[in-house]
Parts: sequence; C-alpha cells; structure tokens
Amino acid sequence: GESVGLHLPTLSVQEGDNSIINCAYSNSASDYFIWYKQESGKGPQFIIDIRSNMDKRQGQRVTVLLNKTVKHLSLQIAATQPGDSAVYFCAENGGDYKLSFGAGTTVTVRA
Amino acid sequence: DAGVTQSPTHLIKTRGQQVTLRCSPISGHKSVSWYQQVLGQGPQFIFQYYEKEERGRGNFPDRFSARQFPNYSSELNVNALLLGDSALYLCASSSPSGSTDTQYFGPGTRLTVL
Repeated sequence: GESVGLHLPTLSVQEGDNSIINCAYSNSASDYFIWYKQESGKGPQFIIDIRSNMDKRQGQRVTVLLNKTVKHLSLQIAATQPGDSAVYFCAENGGDYKLSFGAGTTVTVRA
Repeated sequence: DAGVTQSPTHLIKTRGQQVTLRCSPISGHKSVSWYQQVLGQGPQFIFQYYEKEERGRGNFPDRFSARQFPNYSSELNVNALLLGDSALYLCASSSPSGSTDTQYFGPGTRLTVL
C-alpha cells in the first residue's frame, strides 16, 4: 500500500545548529502535506504545511521543501532550541479527507 | 481561543467492555476526525465527520463507531474492547469544507485495555 515514511527514526542535533528532517511519500495523488510536532503526552501540533503547487514555504524558523519529482519532503529548523525536542511527523492528504502519517522522527537537542 | 478539547484524559477498561470518548472542536470548525495512535507509531485515521455525516472511514472494524452532534462535537465508541485497542485516541478539527483542510489536534485520550 502507499504510505508516508521518514528516512531516519532519530536525529540528534547541537543546540543552535540547523536541523533537517526528511520524509518520503509514495502517493503521487497527494496534493497537501503537513508537518506536525508531538511532545510527550500531547497531541500533534501543526507546524507548517505546503500544497503540491509549491516547492518551498517558510515559517518562523522553519522551512518546508517539496520535491514532487522524487516524492520527497523535508523540514528545516533553523537555530534549533531545546524546546524543539519532540517527535516530528510528516502527513499527506490525497484529497480523501484523511491524513496519512509516517512513523515519525525523534529529535533530541544537545545542550 | 480554546483549541480542540477531549475527555477523558485517561481511561482504563477491561477486555470486552465498551468505551465512549468525547471531542469538542475549535470554535467555528465543523469537521471532526478521529485517529488512533499506538505507542511508537504515527496516528492512523479512523473517521471523519462533517455536518453529522460520515465523510471518510479508515481500515478499522465495525466495533468502532462515531457520531457528530448539532454543535459539531463528536463521540467515538469502541465496543468489545481488545488488548490491541490500547492507544492514544486523537481528535482533530478542521474548517469546512474541503477535503484537504488543515487538521488541528487535541491532546488525546489515553485508553488502556487490561
């Protein structure tokens, strides 16, 4: 079946460095992608989204890049802070009302 | 403004019992979706409701059912609980009415089945 997946389950980054979290998707019909952050004991928190007619979108300290040719999505976090430690999920929406999530990447920020 | 709220926060049940989980969407949002998140995995889609009608259903057995009320709040019911139903149940709301609206999640209900 088609699914969304992340390349690496864990990422350790030094405080102040930039983080890059990658995600591969296989549903070519997906036209909407979202990154969520989930802290322990909490629900997923919306970070940033991008639609398939865009290649890049920037938010506050975050940038999402979409490469439709290779079906790849990435989240870049600038100047990573301790509060950025969490599990990050990419999710795709193929226009059928549901979000399909990958397994997540656990980001740990080292002081 | 209040976000998505869910109750209860935690719940412990035994096999074979039934459970009802509740969700109130963000004010102004008319669509509610339910997801199951097993420990260590991403959320899995169960249902989406809009204007009290089911718009989407994931690959879950008929033991799972839901409904939406006129005030757009929603309930998820699970009958004949199994050990494997232990999970975090998440509710998400979205603004109408497209199929790709951004979904905002609540804190979840942690269900433990013994």
